[in-house]
Amino acid sequence: DIQLTQSPSFLSASVGDRVTVTCRASQGIASYLAWYQQKPGKAPKLLIYAASTLQSGVPLRFSGSGSGTEFTLTISSLQPEDFATYYCQQLNSYPRTFGQGTKVDIK
Amino acid sequence: QVQLVESGGGVVQPGRSLRLSCAASGFTFRSYGMHWFRQAPGKGLEWVGVIWFDGSNEDYADSVRGRFTISRDNSKNTLYLQMNSLRAEDTAVYYCAREEGLLGGSYPDHWGQGTLVTVPS
Repeated sequence: DIQLTQSPSFLSASVGDRVTVTCRASQGIASYLAWYQQKPGKAPKLLIYAASTLQSGVPLRFSGSGSGTEFTLTISSLQPEDFATYYCQQLNSYPRTFGQGTKVDIK
Repeated sequence: QVQLVESGGGVVQPGRSLRLSCAASGFTFRSYGMHWFRQAPGKGLEWVGVIWFDGSNEDYADSVRGRFTISRDNSKNTLYLQMNSLRAEDTAVYYCAREEGLLGGSYPDHWGQGTLVTVPS
């Protein structure tokens, strides 16, 4: 199985900050990576697919990059509605695996 | 608009069975692969399994293989998750999700709101 390791697991940031989350895969997954945002009590929401393509309706302050084994999710200017937990998921092979999550909290 | 509505969750004793349903609307259900995911209380996301658009194939996480079965009724636009031999560690919110083909890959782009399954220890 492909392991995904996200870092950090938790980060505290302020509105307007630039935030970066990293996801490392245990083996190459090309660009078959997605990023999700999840708020408490809600279903995950697809933000980015194919490592860097923004899902329709997602604000342009979100961006993704990377390929192979190292990926990043960047929020260019954190907004109040962005405080949430973010997960990466690999879709290169089964079983589909997730990173452990990164909780973005208010500083 | 795309809508996925799970139902069937509840409290079930260890070793017993439960069937979850996911009612789909707003898209051509028979054209899409469908997934089940779960999330234990306070924990991360876990993939449970997938069924091909026509029901011809399935795949499962090792943690549920042999106990859980995914099926679908394309005439009723409904996805199912039959869960047998339930264990305390199966306690979670269960989500169904549609798989969309995007840029050569396939990604769960719409998720239901989830249904909670509780198996007391």
